[in-house]
Order: sequence, then structure tokens, then C-alpha cells
Amino acid sequence: GENVEQHPSTLSVQEGDSAVIKCTYSDSASNYFPWYKQELGKRPQLIIDIRSNVGEKKDQRIAVTLNKTAKHFSLHITETQPEDSAVYFCAASEVDSNYQLIWGAGTKLIIKP
Amino acid sequence: ETGVTQSPTHLIKTRGQQVTLRCSSQSGHNTVSWYQQALGQGPQFIFQYYREEENGRGNFPPRFSGLQFPNYSSELNVNALELDDSALYLCASSAQGVGDTQYFGPGTRLTVL
Repeated sequence: GENVEQHPSTLSVQEGDSAVIKCTYSDSASNYFPWYKQELGKRPQLIIDIRSNVGEKKDQRIAVTLNKTAKHFSLHITETQPEDSAVYFCAASEVDSNYQLIWGAGTKLIIKP
Repeated sequence: ETGVTQSPTHLIKTRGQQVTLRCSSQSGHNTVSWYQQALGQGPQFIFQYYREEENGRGNFPPRFSGLQFPNYSSELNVNALELDDSALYLCASSAQGVGDTQYFGPGTRLTVL
């Protein structure tokens, strides 16, 4: 089955700098890759997703890149702000599994003022 | 915020007891997925319901069972509770066949003593 690894487990960046979180997946059949942000005690919230027919997607300060050959995808946050502090999760799924999400272990992002 | 709701918010049970958790899906969504999130970890897929039928199951024992109703709301039942069942239980709704984006409810925090 699918396995998703996520790095780093904790990331501390200065406010205004960029943050990059990386994930690798094992199942080449996976074709949907969402990123969720989870603040303490709250629900995971989808911040961006990408499908395997696209190599990059951007939404304001957030972008995701996908390398299908290497089976890895990354989240990029530019011009980080204090409200970006949270735990970020990557996930992977495929159509044949009815989009059952397999999640990474999460990255705690700390924005230093 | 999403239109996905869960009840109750918090629950305390003792070992061996049974529990039922409830989820109301977002309007227009016919698929509900359930996840278990232990403290400091990513969510683990329990099972998914699509149009009242189980549509995939993760690596959880049979004492974890579920239902989906005609209005697409769903229940998660856990029998013979164990200490390790203490976790945040999240449901997510999606529109199968239309899109695969999953929107999460606020979760139910279950504590087993």
C-alpha cells in the first residue's frame, strides 16, 4: 500500500522568509496530493492540492510542486507570516482507492517574529 | 469553515465500553471518510462510506464499524474500547465522482480511561 514520508518534522523560519516542506510517496499509482494545515485543537484545512497531470500549482503565497518520476512533492510558502504557524500535513491518494488519503506525519512550522 | 459537523465534541469513556460518533456531511456531498488522529501524529484512514455502502477500509479491527444514512450523514461505532483508542476522530466529506477534495469536520476528542 501507499506510504508517505514527510520532512522536516519541525521547521523554524524568520517571518518574511520562505518555508519548504517535502514529501515522498511510494505508490506510483497515486495521482492526488493535497496539503492540509492544522492549527492546535482545530480541524485540518485544505490549503492547496495538485493532481498528477500538473507539475506545479500556485495560490498567492502558497505553491506545490510535483515530481512524478522521483515520487515527491513539496509545499512552498513565501513571505511567511505569524499566522502561518501550524502543523502542515501532506497526503496522497489514487482514484482506484476511492481517494482514501494516506497522510504524512506532519511538519510543525514555527514563524519567528 | 466547512459545512461538516461532528458530535459530540468531547467524550470520556472507560475500557470495554462502546461509543458512537456522528458526522453530518457538507451539502451536496455523498461520501464520508473517517480518520483517527493520535496526539502528535497524522490522521489514519479508518473507512469510507459512499452512498450508504462501505467503500474502503484501513488497517483497523472489526470493532470499528460504521453506517451512512440516506441523507449521507454517518456514524462511527467503536466496541470494546481500549486505551489506545484515545484520539481525535475526524470525519471528512467529499463529492465522489465530482471531485476528491475532502473537507473535515471539527473532530470528536475521545478519551478512554
